[in-house]
Amino acid sequence: DTTVKQNPRYKLARVGKPVNLICSQTMNHDTMYWYQKKPNQAPKLLLFYYDKILNREADTFEKFQSSRPNNSFCSLYIGSAGLEYSAMYLCASSSRAETLYFGSGTRLTVL
Amino acid sequence: GDSVTQMQGQVTLSEDDFLFINCTYSTTWYPTLFWYVQYPGEGPQLLLKVTTANNKGISRGFEATYDKRTTSFHLQKASVQESDSAVYYCVLGSNSGTYQRFGTGTKLQVVP
Repeated sequence: DTTVKQNPRYKLARVGKPVNLICSQTMNHDTMYWYQKKPNQAPKLLLFYYDKILNREADTFEKFQSSRPNNSFCSLYIGSAGLEYSAMYLCASSSRAETLYFGSGTRLTVL
Repeated sequence: GDSVTQMQGQVTLSEDDFLFINCTYSTTWYPTLFWYVQYPGEGPQLLLKVTTANNKGISRGFEATYDKRTTSFHLQKASVQESDSAVYYCVLGSNSGTYQRFGTGTKLQVVP
């Protein structure tokens, strides 16, 4: 079962409020990723967990946090949402950076 | 830094037309190259990948050749169908092999 699940599918948040997005995979993959997708832009890698080690992109280092309490779950946390965070957030997993398996995404709208 | 470029934002074709989607990359190493396809309402999924320069990847009638001389990885299909309508991403594997970097995507619309 090559399934990555993301919850919720749609999320509405208020400016200044925290946001927590959830992702799970059942393939025992060692790496989980979060990408941000805005219209007419490439999916942008935000961060990834290789096993228990978190790697965050330099230009989004302070904007996003993440946790991976076990191999199957990974969350993406925004401490204080701004309008610029409105986007589709895609979670993916892989084994040894081979094929990425994506969830269907969470569309975040910040008002 | 490394980068991947897709110049075509949208392509509209008729069924049975030939498809060509341009992709070029810039790196200081020989990366693994991928094409992912995203259908409406779904996340991207792997279409094909090539790990070795000058090799060709083939999947579901699509093919792409890893050309290290021109640093290109163009996607082709001889005859498209309406079901091929989707967004196609050219993707670059990192030097460390730990992540993948996406191009901006090309939206293909095939009309009957």
